[in-house]
Amino acid sequence: EIVLTQSPGTLSLSPGERATLSCRASQSVSRSYLSWYQQKPGQAPRLLIYATSNTATGIPDRFSGSGSGTDFTLTISRVVPEDLAVYYCQQYGSSPYTFGQGTRLEIK
Amino acid sequence: QLQLQESGPGLVKPSETLSLTCAVSGVSISSSSYYWDWIRQPPGKGLEWIGSIYYSGSTYYNTSLKSRITISADTSKNQFSLRLSSVTAADTAVYYCARQVRYCSSTSCIGLHLDYWGQGILVTVSS
Repeated sequence: EIVLTQSPGTLSLSPGERATLSCRASQSVSRSYLSWYQQKPGQAPRLLIYATSNTATGIPDRFSGSGSGTDFTLTISRVVPEDLAVYYCQQYGSSPYTFGQGTRLEIK
Repeated sequence: QLQLQESGPGLVKPSETLSLTCAVSGVSISSSSYYWDWIRQPPGKGLEWIGSIYYSGSTYYNTSLKSRITISADTSKNQFSLRLSSVTAADTAVYYCARQVRYCSSTSCIGLHLDYWGQGILVTVSS
């Protein structure tokens, strides 16, 4: 089973700042099959990024993904208050599909 | 508009079987383009993939839960279901159903990302 470790655990930023969230895998993620989800308080997760760098439908272009192998990054170019959420990475390159423990983004 | 809606008891007794249904609208679960998944999230914790089903009946389970899980599909009702047996307090969680994109090459098919999720249902295991 691939273990995904996200860092930092909590990120506190002011509006307009850049957010960089990391996801590190215990082994290489096959075909870069890694996605990112945003979970706002009291809501279900929402797909942001799939296959490392593809933005899902309706997602603002301030969200972007990058990486390969075992190291992946979600970047929010300029955070806005509505980005308050927990962000999860997930790998689907091998079964069982696994999620990271999440990074909480706080807005100052 | 695609919608997934979980339903079932919110309270289950220890050692009994948890049963949930996900009603899908806006797309047929018989589409060859998707798998249909269950994911859970204990209160205040992270996400755990439970398993998935293809409309033909092929299932894929998380090995950590495999002995206790059954996922089934009812194409006539456009819904799919989860049964988790011998539950304990550790099974208390919000249970989500989701659609998983399916990709087929010339040799095989695989599941990709989860592009639509239901709102989730809290199931508490307690006597």
